[in-house]
Amino acid sequence: AQKVTQAQTEISVVEKEDVTLDCVYETRDTTYYLFWYKQPPSGELVFLIRRNSFDEQNEISGRYSWNFQKSTSSFNFTITASQVVDSAVYFCALSESQYSGAGSYQLTFGKGTKLSVIP
Amino acid sequence: DTGVSQNPRHKITKRGQNVTFRCDPISEHNRLYWYRQTLGQGPEFLTYFQNEAQLEKSRLLSDRFSAERPKGSFSTLEIQRTEQGDSAMYLCASSFTTGLRNTEAFFGQGTRLTVV
Repeated sequence: AQKVTQAQTEISVVEKEDVTLDCVYETRDTTYYLFWYKQPPSGELVFLIRRNSFDEQNEISGRYSWNFQKSTSSFNFTITASQVVDSAVYFCALSESQYSGAGSYQLTFGKGTKLSVIP
Repeated sequence: DTGVSQNPRHKITKRGQNVTFRCDPISEHNRLYWYRQTLGQGPEFLTYFQNEAQLEKSRLLSDRFSAERPKGSFSTLEIQRTEQGDSAMYLCASSFTTGLRNTEAFFGQGTRLTVV
């Protein structure tokens, strides 16, 4: 069975600090997809990134970067120079190939990490 | 397009009553998903539709739950004989896939159900 673990329940940082959110996953599949979503207080989940298991290149998008390491089954998310608007709950999620290969978003989510950025 | 719309945003009901939620996906999206999120947890998959066909149902979807997408557009999720354990946020998402092109899934703001 697949599982996603986000060990950090809550993190507080001061504005402009860098912060890394950890995600560890378990799956028996060799082909799978990993995701990060942001959930602001308004409730909707905002898609941040999708990465397939064959692409271990790190990705950078503005202040956001992701580090995917299959050897440790981790897909960590770093926010550089954090801002108050980054305050939200962040979810890591996993989708196995039988679903994602067909374009399905049948996802297994972690419990989330609540990030508070203090001005 | 205003994104995925869910109604109502909040619902308070007495135990034993039936409730129905509605989800309007992004108009061209052919896939629609329902998730449930309890406090302090990540969303849990309930079911999904491709057009009007319900293709997958989680074991979390007991026989008190039923979902429909009659014309392949909006969807409804009904819970019969609600229990306090049904209190949660119910999230809807939609995506478009043809096999050749797959968009990301866009989520609505959810319907928060409180069973008293």
